[in-house]
Amino acid sequence: KNEVEQSPQNLTAQEGEFITINCSYSVGISALHWLQQHPGGGIVSLFMLSSGKKKHGRLIATINIQEKHSSLHITASHPRDSAVYICAVHTGTASKLTFGTGTRLQVTL
Amino acid sequence: DGGITQSPKYLFRKEGQNVTLSCEQNLNHDAMYWYRQDPGQGLRLIYYSQIVNDFQKGDIAEGYSVSREKKESFPLTVTSAQKNPTAFYLCASSPDRVYGYTFGSGTRLTVV
Repeated sequence: KNEVEQSPQNLTAQEGEFITINCSYSVGISALHWLQQHPGGGIVSLFMLSSGKKKHGRLIATINIQEKHSSLHITASHPRDSAVYICAVHTGTASKLTFGTGTRLQVTL
Repeated sequence: DGGITQSPKYLFRKEGQNVTLSCEQNLNHDAMYWYRQDPGQGLRLIYYSQIVNDFQKGDIAEGYSVSREKKESFPLTVTSAQKNPTAFYLCASSPDRVYGYTFGSGTRLTVV
């Protein structure tokens, strides 16, 4: 079992829909990242969380440390949101990240 | 603007040849990392460096080598000992152990 599990693996939505991507982890962490990877491959960091909730534009990220679970929400989804969304966690003493396998989101008109 | 530059974006090499992937950052970050991405798998750590002239093996270091002679640069060499080198390689940096990860745009290596 992977230390970081994401669901769903693939998600198709229509423009305007509210989207939720989930991330569960099985180890103690110091921080959790949500990342976005576009088809060209480059990765952009969306959020880093250690507790609570963060919002940036139409994106909202929440984390529940006790339940070892985080969610990424996209409100009023748009085709330009189509990408792979990756959850990654900081574990241990070294500054390494452990990554989920990603959720591929396709938003259609 | 500050960022990470990886070059080239696409790289083709013949089997048995060593190849070096470039990663340069102008963010003044102490820590730099190399990750490998394969289809259907999460990114896996190859090597990381938290300070100049020092680096540590990650989870899949076999067949790879790195150097950190300058703070700005962390090149990765894929040697002929790497059994399955065809993959997407990402470089990242951070100012300290936890915060502010920045990723490069990646190099897609194909070995034929």
